[in-house]
Order: sequence, then C-alpha cells, then structure tokens
Amino acid sequence: NAGVTQTPKFQVLKTGQSMTLQCAQDMNHEYMSWYRQDPGMGLRLIHYSVGAGITDQGEVPNGYNVSRSTTEDFPLRLLSAAPSQTSVYFCASRTGTGLNTGELVFGEGSRLTVL
Amino acid sequence: AQRVTQPEKLLSVFKGAPVELKCNYSYSGSPELFWYVQYSRQRLQLLLRHISRESIKGFTADLNKGETSFHLKKPFAQEEDSAMYYCAPTNPDRGFKTIFGAGTRLFVKA
Repeated sequence: NAGVTQTPKFQVLKTGQSMTLQCAQDMNHEYMSWYRQDPGMGLRLIHYSVGAGITDQGEVPNGYNVSRSTTEDFPLRLLSAAPSQTSVYFCASRTGTGLNTGELVFGEGSRLTVL
Repeated sequence: AQRVTQPEKLLSVFKGAPVELKCNYSYSGSPELFWYVQYSRQRLQLLLRHISRESIKGFTADLNKGETSFHLKKPFAQEEDSAMYYCAPTNPDRGFKTIFGAGTRLFVKA
C-alpha cells in the first residue's frame, strides 16, 4: 500500500491563480479530510468527506472547494489564491468503518506559497 | 463549539525528566481522544488513542471526563521524543470530524 499520496509537494502561485492539490489513498478508507498547518495555529480542518459523493465544511472552508467522485481521490481546489493561503496542506484518511473511530493516516504534506 | 486547548506552545525539559503535555477539550457528545506526533521531516502519525489504553514509546494519556482533559505523560523523556505533539478529539456523532489543538513543541535537552 502506498498509503496517502499528495501532489505536488511544493507549489508557488501568484495571487489570483487557481490550482488543485491532489490526494489519493489506496486503503479503501471512506473518510478523507484536508487540513492546513500554520505556525502557532496547529492543524485546521478545511473540508472533509465521509464517502464518495459526500463532502462537508470544516473550520476554515472559505476559498477552497472539494469533491469526492471516487473513494480513492479527494482533490482540494483553490479558486483564486491569496497570500493568506500560504501554508502547508495535509490530506488524511481515516481507518475504521461504521461506528469504529479509527486513526487518521496522513500524507506527506504540500507546501504552498502564494506571492 | 468544539474547542481543543493545548496551553503550552513550547515545552523544554532535560533528558530523563518527566514530561506532561496538557490538553483540554470542549466537545459535545462523547469524543474519542487521540494524540498525534510529528517528528522532524516526517509526516504526522498516531502516537496513542485513549480507547486502546496502550503505552506507546513510554507515553500514556489519562482521560479525565470531569475536567475534560487528556494530558500526555512520560516519566523519563528521551532526546528522540523531541517533536510536535497534537491532541485531537474525534466525535463519531459529528461525522468523525477531528479538530486539532494548536500543538506543543517538546524539546528534550541532553
């Protein structure tokens, strides 16, 4: 198993540009999520999904879109990048099924800089 | 609103000293409690979860439902414990959404 794979690892954007951060998992996990990590603020939840076709907002969803057309993929779209979106982004999927609360399995992270 | 508080941003101890990383949470329902760790240049990974009652790398965590706390403890810190630690309650009643604390950076000095 490759686990959770994120691409790209690094990206520099100009203000106003759009881009998509890719996330894929090969563990057949139903739950997937996106976080951003900023110094002093820990990880903040952007969006999450409990299964294909189902997404919901987290703590800081503004400026980001997600979709979940397959179990494996959960891309995060920045519609019009702003300097405030400079951050490290982590994708995570969750083990466990039904009411069994499994652990989060993280990708390596994607460092995004918006100029 | 769900809230997780890790009051110490930085904790510095000497090797062999006891260490306690504090976590207080405000959550509806009955969340399950996790601690995650991020070592330098590594991805975030699970350290321990309350329900398993395991001791991982010498760390334990006690859930105090009355105080809504889940402090992480280790009796004798090692240099390799230097890392960023995150407390992360998860509520099955709210779609398994996990909210993280701001994290505590532990630095263990030789």
